[in-house]
This record gives sequence, C-alpha cells and structure tokens, in this order.
Amino acid sequence: DTGVSQDPRHKITKRGQNVTFRCDPISEHNRLYWYRQTLGQGPEFLTYFQNEAQLEKSRLLSDRFSAERPKGSFSTLEIQRTEQGDSAMYLCASGSGNTIYFGEGSWLTVV
Amino acid sequence: AQSVSQHNHHVILSEAASLELGCNYSYGGTVNLFWYVQYPGQHLQLLLKYFSGDPLVKGIKGFEAEFIKSKFSFNLRKPSVQWSDTAEYFCAVNVGRGSTLGRLYFGRGTQLTVWP
Repeated sequence: DTGVSQDPRHKITKRGQNVTFRCDPISEHNRLYWYRQTLGQGPEFLTYFQNEAQLEKSRLLSDRFSAERPKGSFSTLEIQRTEQGDSAMYLCASGSGNTIYFGEGSWLTVV
Repeated sequence: AQSVSQHNHHVILSEAASLELGCNYSYGGTVNLFWYVQYPGQHLQLLLKYFSGDPLVKGIKGFEAEFIKSKFSFNLRKPSVQWSDTAEYFCAVNVGRGSTLGRLYFGRGTQLTVWP
C-alpha cells in the first residue's frame, strides 16, 4: 500500500457526462500530481500542485479538464462532457523531496 | 519537448537470464532519472533513481542502472531475472536541478515476461 488513495477505482460513464476523481495523497507530501495512462503507453503528465497552488498544466489538460486542491490536501480531477478518447487510467501521485509515489489509478471507460 | 525512448517494447527471457532494458532521453541539460515497475494489477513502484554522483545506481530487488551522459542513456540491468520480475518497466526523466520534482516524462514502457 503506497498510501496514495484514489476513488473511484473504476468508472463507466456515457459520453457527454461529467466525471470526478478524487485523490488523497500521503499526508505529509506537499506535492500532488495527475497523470493519464492509456494501454501500451507510459503515463502522460497532466498537472501538479505544490500545496494548493497549481504549478504546471500540460496542454493535454483541455478546457474540459479541471483539477483542484483547495486546502492543499486531497485533490479532485473533473472531466466535463466526456468523450470516448478520455477513456484511460487516471493516476495520482504525491511527492516530497525527490521521490514520487503513485496511487493505483482510476480507470475511466466512456461508452 | 523532452522525450524518453524505450526501444524494447516486449522482452521475453528465461529465468536466470541477464536483463538489460534500454532507455534514452532527449535533453541536454541536467536530468534526474528513474525506473519504475508495474507488476500485474498493481501500482507503479520506484525501482531506482539517479540524481547525481556515482552513475551506477543500485535499486531494489537486485536491479541496477547506469547513467551514461554522453549517450543520453539510463539502461536498467539485472544479472539474473526471476519469474517474479514479470512486469512492465518504465523509464522516466525529470529535467532541471534541485530536489523538488516537477513533472516526469515517461517512456512507453517495456513489458518483461520471464518464463520459469
């Protein structure tokens, strides 16, 4: 158990619906990351926070995607108007110093 | 944009064989380098990392990696693999100095299958 928790672990949604994923990082970690991974590919960076500040966003994070970390603890990743191309595993990670720990991911299937 | 290449997409070995997985990156400045492993049905786990110092880095479970700056490479090695090493292996790069990590760039992964 890495200590990074993600919820839900699996989500099936209809195209056009909104979905939200939650991530609870390891408690003493001030940095939190979101990645996306599709089959046969490595994780792709989406965004990361240091405390509550969103320090970097990838161009992959279109205007349908929004991430928040309001109190510098847990984070949410919302996808609005989902498309089939959004089907992927959404990974959360947290870090302190020079190590990053990953959660088990949230699988999204858009039908 | 930075990129990380893992040229071997699927490697199949017998137990006790030696392993070397290639990783090359495209960035000329200071880099921090990582290998992660993902066992079937599990999360990504850190195998080893390189920040500075001795370019030969030892990690968990008998893995090691060598940073060769002139070749922009960070290949993963293990002298004798076990069936339990069957997993997907990802190389990752962080660019820039400092101990506070920003984004990681990942390769597409290498699936290792070890036959008993």
